[in-house]
Amino acid sequence: KQEVTQIPAALSVPEGENLVLNCSFTDSAIYNLQWFRQDPGKGLTSLLLIQSSQREQTSGRLNASLDKSSGRSTLYIAASQPGDSATYLCAVADSNYQLIWGAGTKLIIKP
Amino acid sequence: GAGVSQSPSNKVTEKGKDVELRCDPISGHTALYWYRQRLGQGLEFLIYFQGNSAPDKSGLPSDRFSAERTGESVSTLTIQRTQQEDSAVYLCASSLPSPYEQYFGPGTRLTVT
Repeated sequence: KQEVTQIPAALSVPEGENLVLNCSFTDSAIYNLQWFRQDPGKGLTSLLLIQSSQREQTSGRLNASLDKSSGRSTLYIAASQPGDSATYLCAVADSNYQLIWGAGTKLIIKP
Repeated sequence: GAGVSQSPSNKVTEKGKDVELRCDPISGHTALYWYRQRLGQGLEFLIYFQGNSAPDKSGLPSDRFSAERTGESVSTLTIQRTQQEDSAVYLCASSLPSPYEQYFGPGTRLTVT
């Protein structure tokens, strides 16, 4: 059974710092991996999707990597801003395209 | 274009009543998913529709839960005889085939009193 773990559960850093969020999964047979952000009282926003054949994806200040063999993904956020404060969720899609979710990392960027 | 929409945004109901939650996917998205997020917990998969194929109902927690989808459009999640443990945010997502990137609606917050 696929399990997804995110470390750390919470992170607080000063504005301007670069940071890395970690996601690990137990079964390397994934279809894709998605990173989302969730703002309080709002829905989920898709940030990046990495297909199983890809190693990384970039969007603006965000870079996500995928290492299937080791069951790891990282989300790198460059030059963090207070608006980046949110909960970041990692989810892997199995062969049935269902998403299995990590518990999230709550990120606070201090001005 | 328009994203995934859900209604109602909030629903308060008494224990034992039935509720219907609606999801309008992004036009052209053949796949539709329902998830549940209880307070302070992670998301749980409930059900998945793909085109005209039989839905994957493996995540439905009990026979009180059912869902329907009309073609490749609107979906309704029905919870019968609601219980307090059904209180959660119910999220709907849709996607195109390959790479199945899921786009989420704002959710319906259900409170069972």
